[in-house]
Amino acid sequence: EVQMVESGGGLAQPGGSLRLSCAASGFIFSGYEMNWVRRAPGEGLEWISYISGHGTTRYYADSVKGRFTISRDNAENSLYLQMDNLRADDTAIYYCARSTNPTTELDFWGRGTLVTVSS
Amino acid sequence: SYVLAQPPSVSVAPGKTARITCGGNDIGRKSVNWYQQRPGLAPILVIYYDTDRPSGIPERFSGSNSGNTATLTISRVEAGDEADYFCQVWDSDTDHRVFGGGTKLTVV
Repeated sequence: EVQMVESGGGLAQPGGSLRLSCAASGFIFSGYEMNWVRRAPGEGLEWISYISGHGTTRYYADSVKGRFTISRDNAENSLYLQMDNLRADDTAIYYCARSTNPTTELDFWGRGTLVTVSS
Repeated sequence: SYVLAQPPSVSVAPGKTARITCGGNDIGRKSVNWYQQRPGLAPILVIYYDTDRPSGIPERFSGSNSGNTATLTISRVEAGDEADYFCQVWDSDTDHRVFGGGTKLTVV
């Protein structure tokens, strides 16, 4: 059974940092490309980052470029999102989602982890 | 950057047909995916490559895409279809995935 479980969310202060993790199981993790998508309260879905199967290609939304870093450890079947210089408008539920390449559909999503940025 | 426009809300009676549109410049040349998100749950893929259904998605869900509009059609709507629906494409100019603003489907 495919499973992806996010963790690492919580309360952070503006300007602070958090590191999100996504633990994957039930599929060959290195064979899939991975993404982070978020949904802020009262807003829609926002794609924020992508990483290729072996981590050689990464893309970022303009809203997080230079502040967030996506990475993965295929030996640990894990995806990460390092979030620095957090802002109030980063408050959202963060989902990891897999795809077969950057242009294709997000065929499976984790249940998400809540990040709240507030002083 | 590429923009996708969805109506904020659509209401439909049970048993009727709901149509949710997604507008974008020449969107017919792109591959459109649709996601359903029920309250408190993760999004799930309901349509990919404009018209394809993942396994487990009822045949009541269908998609089309032409010109400047893609459409998600839900036939014989059920109470359980009440959710937010998002269209999504890949913008090759920016190497970004783009989501529409979402449509709240209400079954009344």
